[in-house]
Amino acid sequence: RKEVEQDPGPFNVPEGATVAFNCTYSNSASQSFFWYRQDCRKEPKLLMSVYSSGNEDGRFTAQLNRASQYISLLIRDSKLSDSATYLCVVNSGGSNYKLTFGKGTLLTVNP
Amino acid sequence: GAVVSQHPSRVICKSGTSVKIECRSLDFQATTMFWYRQFPKQSLMLMATSNEGSKATYEQGVEKDKFLINHASLTLSTLTVTSAHPEDSSFYICSFRDRENTEAFFGQGTRLTVV
Repeated sequence: RKEVEQDPGPFNVPEGATVAFNCTYSNSASQSFFWYRQDCRKEPKLLMSVYSSGNEDGRFTAQLNRASQYISLLIRDSKLSDSATYLCVVNSGGSNYKLTFGKGTLLTVNP
Repeated sequence: GAVVSQHPSRVICKSGTSVKIECRSLDFQATTMFWYRQFPKQSLMLMATSNEGSKATYEQGVEKDKFLINHASLTLSTLTVTSAHPEDSSFYICSFRDRENTEAFFGQGTRLTVV
C-alpha cells in the first residue's frame, strides 16, 4: 500500500462546481497533514493545513479522520484559477519532520 | 511567506558532466533542508534531509556519492548531480524548514535535462 494515496483524477469541472478530493495514508503515527497545490512545472505551495476538527478557508474545507486515516479537501464555487494539481501531504516523520507526498490529482476548471 | 530562491530554474547538460543546483533561504534561518525530485506525472520523492553543519541523511535508493549535498550555512544548500545520466533528468526541488515553523518552504525547482 502506498504511503499516501489520492484519487487518480483528472477532474474536469465547470466554473462554480463543487469538487472533492480524497486521500488516505498508511502510517497511523503520522502527526500533521496538509494540502498543497502545484501548478504545472512549478513548486508546490501550501494551500492549507488539515486539523482533526476540520478547518475552512474561504471556499476550501479540509477534513481529517484519524480513525480511518482519511483526508479530504472540498472546493466550493470553483474558479478558473483553481486549476492545478492538488497534493495530499503527510508528515510521516513525527518530530523528525518528513513530508510524504501523494501523487496529486489534477483539476481543470472549465469556463 | 518565507522566500526560498533556487537556481538555475532550467539546465541542460551532457551525459557525464556534473550540475550544481543552489538553494537559498532569503529571510529566515533554515535548520533543516530537504531535497526532492519529481519525475513526470509522479509525486515528489524525498532524496535527502540535512541539518546545517552535518552530513545529509539519504533516502533508500538514493546514491550519496552521486547526489552531493552541502548545507554549509543556515541560508544556503547545494545539490550536485555528479556524472549525470539521462535517467537523472527530473525536476529537483529544495525545501527549507525554519526554526520557528512547522511549515516547509519550497524553492522554485530546477528542471534538469541530461542529453
